[in-house]
Amino acid sequence: DIQMTQSPASLSASLGETVTIECLASEDIYSNLAWYQQKPGKSPQLLIYYANSLNDGVPSRFSGSGSGTQYSLKINSLQSEDVSIYFCQQNYDSPPYTFGAGTKLELK
Amino acid sequence: EVKLVESGGGLVQPGRSLKLSCAASGFSFNDYWMGWVRQAPGKGLEWIGEINQDSSTINYTPSLKDKFTISRDNAQNTLYLQMSKLGSEDTAIYYCARGWQVMDAWGQGASVTVSS
Repeated sequence: DIQMTQSPASLSASLGETVTIECLASEDIYSNLAWYQQKPGKSPQLLIYYANSLNDGVPSRFSGSGSGTQYSLKINSLQSEDVSIYFCQQNYDSPPYTFGAGTKLELK
Repeated sequence: EVKLVESGGGLVQPGRSLKLSCAASGFSFNDYWMGWVRQAPGKGLEWIGEINQDSSTINYTPSLKDKFTISRDNAQNTLYLQMSKLGSEDTAIYYCARGWQVMDAWGQGASVTVSS
């Protein structure tokens, strides 16, 4: 199985700041990477797919980048509603489509 | 509006079985792959498996393949997860989700607690 290492595990930032979350795959996943946001007490929601494609309705302050084994999620101008846990997921080739351990984003 | 509603969760004794359902509405259910993901208390997401539109392809995470069975009824717009030989490690919220590989809609989750 492909392993996904996500960092940092937690992050504290101020309103208006830019934050970046990283995800490292154990092998090349050819941009087959998605990012999900899970707000407190809610189910996950798809933010980004294929490394950099924004899902419908997702604010443009979210962006994804990367290739090969290294990927990142960037949030510009942090808003209070962005407080969440963020998960990456690889969906390359055959299942299982493994998730990263998550990054908990809090406000400073 | 796309809606996925899980049901069938609850408290179950170790070693017993439980079947979850997921009722879909707001989209053409039989046009989509569907899947299940679980989340143990305070933990991350674990991909369980997926099923294609006509049930001819079902994929599982290897460690759960012998315990869990995914099925669907397109006439009823319903997805199922049959779980057997449950242990404490299966205590989690179980989400059904729409999509092949990438899951673009999720239910609110069904809570399953395995305890005597």
